[in-house]
This record gives sequence, C-alpha cells and structure tokens, in this order.
Amino acid sequence: GENVEQHPSTLSVQEGDSAVIKCTYSDSASNYFPWYKQELGKGPQLIIDIRSNVGEKKDQRIAVTLNKTAKHFSLHITETQPEDSAVYFCAASIHTGFQKLVFGTGTRLLVSP
Amino acid sequence: EAGVTQFPSHSVIEKGQTVTLRCDPISGHDNLYWYRRVMGKEIKFLLHFVKESKQDESGMPNNRFLAERTGGTYSTLKVQPAELEDSGVYFCASTQTTNTGELFFGEGSRLTVL
Repeated sequence: GENVEQHPSTLSVQEGDSAVIKCTYSDSASNYFPWYKQELGKGPQLIIDIRSNVGEKKDQRIAVTLNKTAKHFSLHITETQPEDSAVYFCAASIHTGFQKLVFGTGTRLLVSP
Repeated sequence: EAGVTQFPSHSVIEKGQTVTLRCDPISGHDNLYWYRRVMGKEIKFLLHFVKESKQDESGMPNNRFLAERTGGTYSTLKVQPAELEDSGVYFCASTQTTNTGELFFGEGSRLTVL
C-alpha cells in the first residue's frame, strides 16, 4: 500500500523567512496530493492541493511542487507570519472517487516574531 | 453553516471500558469518514460511509471497533472493550461529492485509555 514520509518533524523560522516541508510517497499510482494545516485545538484544514498532471500550484504565499519521477512533493510558504504556526500534514491518494488519504506524520512549524 | 461537530472532545476511560464517539457531518454531505491519529504519528484512515452504507472499512483496526451511520446522518464509533493502544485523536470528516470534494474535518475526539 501507499506510504508517505514527511520531513522535517519540526521547523522553526523567523517571521518573514521561507519554510519548506517535504514529502515522499511510494505508490506511483497516487495522483492527488493535498496539504492540511492543523491549528491548536482545531481539525485539519485543506490549504492547497495538487494533482499529478500539474507540476506546481500557487496560492498567494503558499505553493506546492510535485516531482512524479522522484515521487516527492513539497510545500513552500514564503514571508511566513506568526499565524502560520501550526502542524502541517501532507497526504497522497489514488483519486478513484473518494478521499482515502494516506497522511504523513506531520510537521510542527513555529514562526517566531 | 455549521461545520463537522464531534462529541466528546475528550474522553478518559480505563482499559476494558466502552466508549462511543459521535460525529455530525456538515448538512447534506453524503460522505463521512473516520480517521485516527495516534500520538505523534500519521493520521490514518479508518472507514468511509456513503450515506448509511459502509463504502470502505479497510482501516478499522479490529473487531473491537464498530461504526454506524443509521439514517445516513450522524455517525457513531464505538470501541469495546478499549485497550491502551486505542488512545489517540479520532477525527471525523465529510464531503459532499466524492471526486473533487474537499475533506472537512471536525476538531477531533481525544481518547485516553488508562
């Protein structure tokens, strides 16, 4: 079955710096890669996703890149702000029609003012 | 519009006891999912309902776990008898469509088994 590895487990940056979180997946059939942000006391919330027919996607300060050959994808956050502090999860799935996602272990991002 | 709601937010029980977790999905969402995160590890899929039918329960750990969704509205997840390794945060999520729908998660029910 699919296995997703995520690094680093914790990441501390100064406000205004960039942050990069990396994930690798094992199943070449996976074709959908969402990123979820979990703030303290809340459930995970989708922040961006990418499908295998696209190499990069941006949404304001957030971007995701996908390398299908190497089977890895990354989340890039530019100009980080304290409110970006949260746990970020990557996930992968074979998008057959429902959201049976395989998640990574999460990255705790701390943005210091 | 109300989001996915879960109850209780935290439950502390002793090994061998029974616990029932409840999830109310977003109104109109036919698809309901249960996921679990054990301390520090990945969020793992447990099962998926389409309305009242179990579409996929391949992630359920063993027969001590029973999920129901009578009437296709709210869902319950019962653990009986609970074991230490069942401790974790149980998330419920719902979507309106299967193909492109974003997964909307509840805040989770934290289960602690002593």
